[in-house]
Order: sequence, then structure tokens, then C-alpha cells
Amino acid sequence: AQTVTQSQPEMSVQEAETVTLSCTYDTSESDYYLFWYKQPPSRQMILVIRQEAYKQQNATENRFSVNFQKAAKSFSLKISDSQLGDAAMYFCAYRTVLGEKLTFGTGTRLTIIP
Amino acid sequence: GAVVSQHPSWVICKSGTSVKIECRSLDFQATTMFWYRQFPKQSLMLMATSNEGSKATYEQGVEKDKFLINHASLTLSTLTVTSAHPEDSSFYICSARDPGTGGPDTQYFGPGTRLTVL
Repeated sequence: AQTVTQSQPEMSVQEAETVTLSCTYDTSESDYYLFWYKQPPSRQMILVIRQEAYKQQNATENRFSVNFQKAAKSFSLKISDSQLGDAAMYFCAYRTVLGEKLTFGTGTRLTIIP
Repeated sequence: GAVVSQHPSWVICKSGTSVKIECRSLDFQATTMFWYRQFPKQSLMLMATSNEGSKATYEQGVEKDKFLINHASLTLSTLTVTSAHPEDSSFYICSARDPGTGGPDTQYFGPGTRLTVL
């Protein structure tokens, strides 16, 4: 069974600084998808970034980028130039190519310090 | 991006009554929708997968007779909590899989429904 682990329950970063959130996963599949979702206080889940395992290039979306290490089964999220609006719970998620279900990690609460 | 709505955003009901929550994909057709439950400060727990025109697939431990799911159209899925009790109080979130824009691998989430059973 696939599992997703987020070992940092809470993180904080100074505004305008850079922070990295960790995520590891366990799978026997060779191809799959990985996601980072953000859940702000409104509790609306928002897709931040996604990565297809067959792509070696790390995904980037503006200030958000990932460090995808397939061999190590690691998928970290880097947030550059942190802003107050980045404060939220961040969930890492995994999905097989043929499957439909997302497997979520336990989340990391990110606090932005003004 | 794709938009998913949920209604109501919050509901308070008496123990023993039934509550229906609607999930709609507003700008795309979703053959598959998902229902999650989230307890405070915890991750999302998948309850069931809803496929248009067929019976929902429930996760282990989820009572199908208590949490009725209907996916009657490509844009609407409903979750009915039957004979609700205080332990059913939670935050319920739906998501819809967009097979078109965003790629076949992306789920978009509704804003959630907070259910409080007195």
C-alpha cells in the first residue's frame, strides 16, 4: 500500500524568506503523480503544484517549486519569497497513474512571521 | 482552474435527522467525484468514490447505509448523512476529477461543508 509521510507537523518562516516542506512516500509503482495542496484557514483545498514521476524535470509554479528525488522517494516543496497569504496547512498527496484515489500525508502547518 | 462548489457551507441539525450535501462541478463534467471527511487538525480521509450512473465505492469502515451517495449527473453528486448523530459532526469535503483541462490526474476540491449534529 502506498503511504505518504510529512515529518514536519509545523514550520515557520520569516516573510520574504524561503522555506522547504518535506514529503516522502512509499510505492512499488514506477509511474505515478505527486501533488502539493494548500488548505488555508478558509479550508478550501487549493492545488499548488503537481509532478509526474516520469518527468525528470522538477515542476515549478511561480514562487513554488519542488525537489523530486525519485530514487529516494522524496518530494519536497520550496516556497520562495514567502508571503503572509502562504500561511496554511500543506498536504502532500500521491496517486497512481491508473488509480483515482489520492493518498494524503498528515500535513504541515506553515506560519509566516511578519 | 476548474471550480467545484458545495452546498450548504455549514449545517446544524438535530440528532436523528438526515442531511444532504451537494457537490457540483461548475465548468467541467466530472465522471468521478470523491467525498472526504476531515477532523480538526487532521488530514483528509477518503470516504467514497462516486461514479456517474453507478454505485459509489466506499472505503473500508465507512457505512454505506449511513452515508448515501448519489451521482446522478456529470456535474452533481450528493452525500446524505442519514440519522445523523453527534459523532457524525465533521467537515465534509468533495472533490471532482477533471479529465480535460488540468490533465487526467487532477482533483479539484469544493470549499467543504461543516456539519454539526446536536
